[in-house]
Amino acid sequence: GAVVSQHPSWVICKSGTSVKIECRSLDFQATTMFWYRQFPKQSLMLMATSNEGSKATYEQGVEKDKFLINHASLTLSTLTVTSAHPEDSSFYICSALDTATDTQYFGPGTRLTVL
Amino acid sequence: DAKTTQPPSMDCAEGRAANLPCNHSTISGNEYVYWYRQIHSQGPQYIIHGLKNNETNEMASLIITEDRKSSTLILPHATLRDTAVYYCIVRVKAAGNKLTFGGGTRVLVKP
Repeated sequence: GAVVSQHPSWVICKSGTSVKIECRSLDFQATTMFWYRQFPKQSLMLMATSNEGSKATYEQGVEKDKFLINHASLTLSTLTVTSAHPEDSSFYICSALDTATDTQYFGPGTRLTVL
Repeated sequence: DAKTTQPPSMDCAEGRAANLPCNHSTISGNEYVYWYRQIHSQGPQYIIHGLKNNETNEMASLIITEDRKSSTLILPHATLRDTAVYYCIVRVKAAGNKLTFGGGTRVLVKP
């Protein structure tokens, strides 16, 4: 089956620093990937749609300069949380769209804690 | 995308079939019904999807009513590892279309 990985699985950082999260589709190519955020006891909220070779499309209320997305290859998208603050602490999850089945497959998530 | 309505929670007995309902009364003709589940502290896992015919795979069966206004996900023999939040989502099957997650159903499988 389609597998999506994320790295790191968890990260703790100091306030003001930047953190990069990687999302990889391991056995299929994905021209489109998605980044979600999930706070405790809440559902997933879409942050942005990442398109290979072009700029990401951000959802309303998501700061594009704070959450930098790069999708430089058909198997890798990265999310960089810049100048992280404690309120950015959350569970970040990516998904990759398998166009062969038009199905999104999700990564295991990255838990970010900002001190 | 059409909105879905699911019960917030339900309990199931281990070894028995679990029937998870979903209402999507405003679904459009070109919208598919997708089911995902999220086990605690993990990313969502794809289960199954369908348009109007019933579908079955190794994980579950999806029963869609003839008018397509509701569907039922069936886990044939629930195990403790099926405890999760189950999400029913409808979306147009086109490249790049987003998934909008609602509250889902929190399913607890009990011994």
